[in-house]
Amino acid sequence: TQLLEQSPQFLSIQEGENLTVYCNSSSVFSSLQWYRQEPGEGPVLLVTVVTGGEVKKLKRLTFQFGDARKDSSLHITAAQPGDTGLYLCAAPRDDMRFGAGTRLTVKP
Amino acid sequence: DTAVSQTPKYLVTQMGNDKSIKCEQNLGHDTMYWYKQDSKKFLKIMFSYNNKELIINETVPNRFSPKSPDKAHLNLHINSLELGDSAVYFCASSQVGAGLFREQFFGPGTRLTVL
Repeated sequence: TQLLEQSPQFLSIQEGENLTVYCNSSSVFSSLQWYRQEPGEGPVLLVTVVTGGEVKKLKRLTFQFGDARKDSSLHITAAQPGDTGLYLCAAPRDDMRFGAGTRLTVKP
Repeated sequence: DTAVSQTPKYLVTQMGNDKSIKCEQNLGHDTMYWYKQDSKKFLKIMFSYNNKELIINETVPNRFSPKSPDKAHLNLHINSLELGDSAVYFCASSQVGAGLFREQFFGPGTRLTVL
């Protein structure tokens, strides 16, 4: 089993729809990061959350860290084709461990 | 001005060959990494170097050897390439603070195909 379980694995939606993707674990983390990876490129950090219950907003993206610091969610409002990509959560465990990702496709 | 650069971008080679991938970061970070991303997009850490010292070595075959000539470079050498080595390899760097992992800056990746 993976340290970080992401769901759904794949998500295909129409432009303008809202969506939520999840990152879950049975472990407690001091922090958690979300990255977005576009085809042919390396992942790029979107946000780091460090406090249980913390909510951070980045334009149309809302990130939440679970109260127990075991899980996190990413909500996108009014998705746009430019949001298409692989969303990865990551957490420190001796080194940085990544989830398997959610591959999001937003169709125009 | 590229923060983390890798060469080559694409590498196609035959089984049994030896190859190297180069990585350079100009961010002044103290830690560099190599990750392998398989066909299912799962990103797994292979090595981590901090101040020229290997601090993490996952269960990676000893055919893979990281080499760091200085703090800004971490090259990956692979001996006797196998079909299963085909993947995208990412170099990354970060400035690791006490108790809190800093942002990982990734290179553009090297797509290795072993025939």
